[in-house]
Amino acid sequence: DVKVTQSSRYLVKRTGEKVFLECVQDMDHENMFWYRQDPGLGLRLIYFSYDVKMKEKGDIPEGYSVSREKKERFSLILESASTNQTSMYLCASIFKDRGGSPLHFGNGTRLTVT
Amino acid sequence: AQSVTQLGSHVSVSEGALVLLRCNYSSSVPPYLFWYVQYPNQGLQLLLKYTSAATLVKGINGFEAEFKKSETSFHLTKPSAHMSDAAEYFCAVTLYNQGGKLIFGQGTELSVKP
Repeated sequence: DVKVTQSSRYLVKRTGEKVFLECVQDMDHENMFWYRQDPGLGLRLIYFSYDVKMKEKGDIPEGYSVSREKKERFSLILESASTNQTSMYLCASIFKDRGGSPLHFGNGTRLTVT
Repeated sequence: AQSVTQLGSHVSVSEGALVLLRCNYSSSVPPYLFWYVQYPNQGLQLLLKYTSAATLVKGINGFEAEFKKSETSFHLTKPSAHMSDAAEYFCAVTLYNQGGKLIFGQGTELSVKP
């Protein structure tokens, strides 16, 4: 069974801190995604990656960056955390040629920025 | 570009009643469509998917959805609600050439009254 693991379930950070959210998948998936979930807005795509060292902006990349140094790991970076980045963050992955297959999601990281 | 609209951010039904959660999509080419469920404090779990085979799709936990091209709809139904169905439900769309990148609706929170 596919496992997508997000390293932290809950995080509390201060405004201005640099924050790293880590995601690891164990199924050799090429494509990985970071979404942000907010009430009434559903899930919105922040960044995605189709290969190691490759990244593409999603719909809301402002204030975020990503790193993909290894195939199994995709990190989301908040360069200088702000209160409006308080949210639930979800990582997902899939094989690159499986357009009709569902994304596999991690359990999410709930980030609070104070 | 594709989009998804879920009608009703909150739906409340009585236990044993019909569940109907509405989803309309916009796409210039045939889409792949998904319904995901999120239980409190958990990640997203796939309920069912449409990938251009049968238009009536059966999923887990007794849910099903019908793809209606003429109405651009993919509504989710369950004949008889159970208390354990209380959760948030998300409709999502992608295309065959987008590497699994999903566009989500706003989500519908389902409450089930005893």
